[in-house]
Amino acid sequence: DAKTTQPNSMESNEEEPVHLPCNHSTISGTDYIHWYRQLPSQGPEYVIHGLTSNVNNRMASLAIAEDRKSSTLILHRATLRDAAVYYCILRDREGGSEKLVFGKGTKLTVNP
Amino acid sequence: DVKVTQSSRYLVKRTGEKVFLECVQDMDHENMFWYRQDPGLGLRLIYFSYDVKMKEKGDIPEGYSVSREKKERFSLILESASTNQTSMYLCASSAKYGYTFGSGTRLTVV
Repeated sequence: DAKTTQPNSMESNEEEPVHLPCNHSTISGTDYIHWYRQLPSQGPEYVIHGLTSNVNNRMASLAIAEDRKSSTLILHRATLRDAAVYYCILRDREGGSEKLVFGKGTKLTVNP
Repeated sequence: DVKVTQSSRYLVKRTGEKVFLECVQDMDHENMFWYRQDPGLGLRLIYFSYDVKMKEKGDIPEGYSVSREKKERFSLILESASTNQTSMYLCASSAKYGYTFGSGTRLTVV
């Protein structure tokens, strides 16, 4: 599996935007970029995924660099409930049966 | 709302006991997974299954087995529990692209 690199931790203030970076310099042409987050005492939950174009959904936006060697998860207005560990994961093809390999992720702290 | 349900939130078992962790999903997903999560080690894949009666070893299968007799149910079995199997166990299922995880079972082996 291609690897990703994320900062160990980041801090944000409530109601401010948060940009969570992920480097994946060895990404292959068929790798999709997936983001999951894990709230305290819960299992991970799917956030967003994309291949080449930027993606938006109700939870977040995903900005993918033109060369696809990096991406950024954007939370437009952080809330206290967004405090979690965020995982950036590469998966061959869109997913389905492909197993998820989790790295250490970025622990996001949101200050009131 | 789609769901992955793990039968127990907390479990305490004795060393040497046979332990069953149950996971049920209501989304008709083919694929199901068992992970364990430990501080500093992150989530590690134990076993997974692509279909009924099929199973594949993940990264750390030693000391575990699984059973998938029905599509919606995937059981993790600790044949003889040991203290180093004290951990948070997470079950997940997937279809097209997103995984759905259960809330986890925190198992303590004493």
